[in-house]
Amino acid sequence: GNSVTQMEGPVTLSEEAFLTINCTYTATGYPSLFWYVQYPGEGLQLLLKATKADDKGSNKGFEATYRKETTSFHLEKGSVQVSDSAVYFCALGSGGTSYGKLTFGQGTILTVHP
Amino acid sequence: NAGVTQTPKFQVLKTGQSMTLQCAQDMNHEYMSWYRQDPGMGLRLIHYSVGAGITDQGEVPNGYNVSRSTTEDFPLRLLSAAPSQTSVYFCASSHRGRSTDTQYFGPGTRLTVL
Repeated sequence: GNSVTQMEGPVTLSEEAFLTINCTYTATGYPSLFWYVQYPGEGLQLLLKATKADDKGSNKGFEATYRKETTSFHLEKGSVQVSDSAVYFCALGSGGTSYGKLTFGQGTILTVHP
Repeated sequence: NAGVTQTPKFQVLKTGQSMTLQCAQDMNHEYMSWYRQDPGMGLRLIHYSVGAGITDQGEVPNGYNVSRSTTEDFPLRLLSAAPSQTSVYFCASSHRGRSTDTQYFGPGTRLTVL
């Protein structure tokens, strides 16, 4: 079956540091890949997505590239801010008749200090 | 648009009690779903619906019932609450539920079963 593995957290960085959160997946066919972010006390919101191999998703300075050869979708940001402190989830959307069945990783807690 | 709304925000139940978690969306989305979020496990799909009158089970359906009588509403019923159902519950919706579609999440309901 489908699965998503994220790097274990929590991750603690200083402001303006470089961020990488690793995500690898196992899936059949051609899934879509997503990064969702959950700010304290809120629901999840889409950060970025990629729907086919070699696509790069980007938003708010975050980037991730769909690498089919390494089955990865690592999240990166060149300079993090305190406001980026949140929980980040990598997710996989399976195709065909598996409507909306997102498979989530376990989440990575990011804390950014001034 | 209010997006996806959930009520209540917090709930405490005793073992064996029943309750309904409410979810509504005003985006005319065909697809709606319920997830539960547990520490270290990401989000897991409970039930989903691809339209009014159509529902199906997700990964962890036991102990939960759903129905979809309108496009807007998708309530989740706990028939006899158990401590293992202590969790944060999220409702989500998307346009057609395809694997490429972005899912929009509500703010969540934090449920504690004593």
